[in-house]
Amino acid sequence: GNSVTQMEGPVTLSEEAFLTINCTYTATGYPSLFWYVQYPGEGLQLLLKATKADDKGSNKGFEATYRKETTSFHLEKGSVQVSDSAVYFCALSERRDDKIIFGKGTRLHILP
Amino acid sequence: DGGITQSPKYLFRKEGQNVTLSCEQNLNHDAMYWYRQDPGQGLRLIYYSQIVNDFQKGDIAEGYSVSREKKESFPLTVTSAQKNPTAFYLCASSWGTGVNEKLFFGSGTQLSVL
Repeated sequence: GNSVTQMEGPVTLSEEAFLTINCTYTATGYPSLFWYVQYPGEGLQLLLKATKADDKGSNKGFEATYRKETTSFHLEKGSVQVSDSAVYFCALSERRDDKIIFGKGTRLHILP
Repeated sequence: DGGITQSPKYLFRKEGQNVTLSCEQNLNHDAMYWYRQDPGQGLRLIYYSQIVNDFQKGDIAEGYSVSREKKESFPLTVTSAQKNPTAFYLCASSWGTGVNEKLFFGSGTQLSVL
């Protein structure tokens, strides 16, 4: 079945460091891929998405490129801020399936 | 402002008791979902509803029940049959269930067992 695998956290970085959170997926068709973010005590918010191979999603300085050849959708940001501290979820939605599948989430701590 | 409202924010359940978590949306969305979040396990789908008066089981429906009598409301009941109910519960909605649909989430309800 379809699945999403994320790097385990927590990830701890200093402010202004470069961030990469790895995400790989397994799907039988051509899924859309998403990154959601969850700030402490809140629900999830969509951060960015990509709907086909080689698409790049971007928002708030974060980027992720849909790589079909490596079945990956890694999240990157060039210079993180303390306010980026949150849990990040990679997710996929596959054409023949009504359900969105989430990874287990990666907790990110940014130190001032 | 449009959005999803979950209540209460914190809820305590006694042994053998059923409790109901509220979820209301004013986004005019057709689809609504309930997820359970446990530390280190991500989100697991409990139930979802694509339209009023219809709903389907998700991956972990045992011990839970739902209803969808109104488009804007999708309450979740945690029954006494759910032996490990302590978790953070998230309600979400979307316009439909197409492959590119964005989910809108509520702020969650933390359920604990006394």
